[in-house]
Amino acid sequence: EPEVTQTPSHQVTQMGQEVILRCVPISNHLYFYWYRQILGQKVEFLVSFYNNEISEKSEIFDDQFSVERPDGSNFTLKIRSTKLEDSAMYFCASSEAGTNEKLFFGSGTQLSVL
Amino acid sequence: QKEVEQNSGPLSVPEGAIASLNCTYSDRGSQSFFWYRQYSGKSPELIMFIYSNGDKEDGRFTAQLNKASQYVSLLIRDSQPSDSATYLCAVASGGGNKLTFGTGTQLKVEL
Repeated sequence: EPEVTQTPSHQVTQMGQEVILRCVPISNHLYFYWYRQILGQKVEFLVSFYNNEISEKSEIFDDQFSVERPDGSNFTLKIRSTKLEDSAMYFCASSEAGTNEKLFFGSGTQLSVL
Repeated sequence: QKEVEQNSGPLSVPEGAIASLNCTYSDRGSQSFFWYRQYSGKSPELIMFIYSNGDKEDGRFTAQLNKASQYVSLLIRDSQPSDSATYLCAVASGGGNKLTFGTGTQLKVEL
C-alpha cells in the first residue's frame, strides 16, 4: 500500500540551527501538507502546497519556515533558526485532490531543539 | 477561530462493547469530517470520513454526522484491546483541505 515516508525519524539540533525535514508523498498525490504536534497537544496545521506554491499557511508558519519541492518526489520543510518551542513531532501528509479529500500522514519526524 | 471539541477521556469500555466517541465543531461552513486513530508516539491513521448528514458504516466503525447540531460521532462495535488509542476528530472547511483537529479522546478497551 502506498505511503508517505519521512526522514529522519528523529532530529536533535541546537537552538538557532537550521533543520530540513524531508518527505516523499504518495506518488499520484498532488497536494502536500505539513502539520505538527507538540507533546500532549493537538495536531496543528502548518502549510499546504500545490502546484509548486503555498496554497494556505497558518500563523505558526512564519518567516522562519519554508517549504520546497526540489524535485518530482521530495517535499521539504525548512526551519531557518530553530527555537526551543519548535520541538514537536512534524507530520507530512498528502492527498489526491485539494477539497474534501482524505489526507494520509507520514510516520513523522520528532524534532528536539536543545 | 474554528474549534473542534472532544472529550479527552479516557473512555473505558469492556472488550466486545460499543465505544461511542463524540465531537463538536464551531464552523457551520465545515464540509468534510474525518476520524483518525493515533497510537502513542505514532502518526494519525485515517479510519473514517463522512461528508453528508446521516450514518456511514465501514466494518466495525460507524460515523454519524449531524450538521444542524454541528456534531460528529464515531461508534466502534465489538471493541477490541487493539482499538485502545486516541481518536482524533478532524474537520475541513473553507474549500480547502486544511484540517482542524480536536484534542482527541483516549479510548481504553479492557479485557
